[in-house]
Amino acid sequence: AQKVTQAQTEISVVEKEDVTLDCVYETRDTTYYLFWYKQPPSGELVFLIRRNSFDEQNEISGRYSWNFQKSTSSFNFTITASQVVDSAVYFCALDEEDGNKLVFGAGTILRVKS
Amino acid sequence: DGGITQSPKYLFRKEGQNVTLSCEQNLNHDAMYWYRQDPGQGLRLIYYSQIVNDFQKGDIAEGYSVSREKKESFPLTVTSAQKNPTAFYLCASSTGRRAYEQYFGPGTRLTVT
Repeated sequence: AQKVTQAQTEISVVEKEDVTLDCVYETRDTTYYLFWYKQPPSGELVFLIRRNSFDEQNEISGRYSWNFQKSTSSFNFTITASQVVDSAVYFCALDEEDGNKLVFGAGTILRVKS
Repeated sequence: DGGITQSPKYLFRKEGQNVTLSCEQNLNHDAMYWYRQDPGQGLRLIYYSQIVNDFQKGDIAEGYSVSREKKESFPLTVTSAQKNPTAFYLCASSTGRRAYEQYFGPGTRLTVT
């Protein structure tokens, strides 16, 4: 069965610190897709990134970077020089084998203090 | 501009009453989804629909019902059979093809007393 584990329930950092959010997944599929979403206090989930299982290149987008390692079934997310506006709940997700829906992790609450 | 709308933002109901949550999208997406979010539990799928006039149960469908009569609309009814309906409900849509991201609405916070 598909499963996504975000072991960090809550992380607090001071502004400008780097922070890494962990995501470990389980799947029997050889082709799959992983996602990260951000949920700010307003409640609406915002799509951050999609990665397919055949592309293990790390990705960087501004202060955000993602490290995908199939060997450890992990897809970790790093925010460099965190800012207060990064405070949110972050979800990692994996698409189901039938491709019709996403399996979400429990989320990690990130609090960035000024 | 395109997006997903959910109304209302906050909803209050008495126990024993059915309540319908609205979800509309103008993204021309085929697939639509309803999720429930409780503190510390992430998102759990209630129902989803890949095409008009068709929908499937998700992981926690008991006590909920949906319809998909139009491509743009996917209303969710929380029935009196739902034992613990107080939660944050999120609607989403996607192109329906695998690997494409889901776009989310702003959510409805339902409180039942």
